[in-house]
Amino acid sequence: DSGVTQTPKHLITATGQRVTLRCSPRSGDLSVYWYQQSLDQGLQFLIQYYNGEERAKGNILERFSAQQFPDLHSELNLSSLELGDSALYFCASSVGGWYNSPLHFGNGTRLTVT
Amino acid sequence: GENVEQHPSTLSVQEGDSAVIKCTYSDSASNYFPWYKQELGKGPQLIIDIRSNVGEKKDQRIAVTLNKTAKHFSLHITETQPEDSAVYFCAAPTQGGSEKLVFGKGTKLTVNP
Repeated sequence: DSGVTQTPKHLITATGQRVTLRCSPRSGDLSVYWYQQSLDQGLQFLIQYYNGEERAKGNILERFSAQQFPDLHSELNLSSLELGDSALYFCASSVGGWYNSPLHFGNGTRLTVT
Repeated sequence: GENVEQHPSTLSVQEGDSAVIKCTYSDSASNYFPWYKQELGKGPQLIIDIRSNVGEKKDQRIAVTLNKTAKHFSLHITETQPEDSAVYFCAAPTQGGSEKLVFGKGTKLTVNP
């Protein structure tokens, strides 16, 4: 068990809808990262927050947004969903930036858009 | 550019044999190289990492080697066991200091009993 909790485990929704994925980092970790995993694209970095502030941005679509709250949990909001957004979404956490300490991944949220 | 190439994409070995997975990276300023193991239905789990000030690191049956000149690093698993079957990912940072960890596309390792 990595100590990173993601909810829900599965999510099925229709195109055009909006969903929120939630992540609780390991106790003591200040950074939260979001990754998208699809069969043909591997693990794609979306965004990182450190202690409530956005730290780095990857290939995150404008329809997607995230935030990290004062208690350090994070939410990833996906709106105007398309079929191609179906994927596994992983949250990871680390004590500091990635180059200082390992990333610990949750078990992901599987999103299916129908 | 942001590129980590990983080979092979699939690897099948007999129990007890060794397995080697190779990755190349493009950013010469990269200085941290982790390897993750992902089992079915779970998130990736860090199994070993290496920093650029060393050329090799071992942890029991797992080792990682780094060649900074050639910009590649490899994962070596010796005496493979069926429980080693999983997808393995390498990763490397991009743009030296930028906090983006780019992952390879993964290697599906199957260890046959």
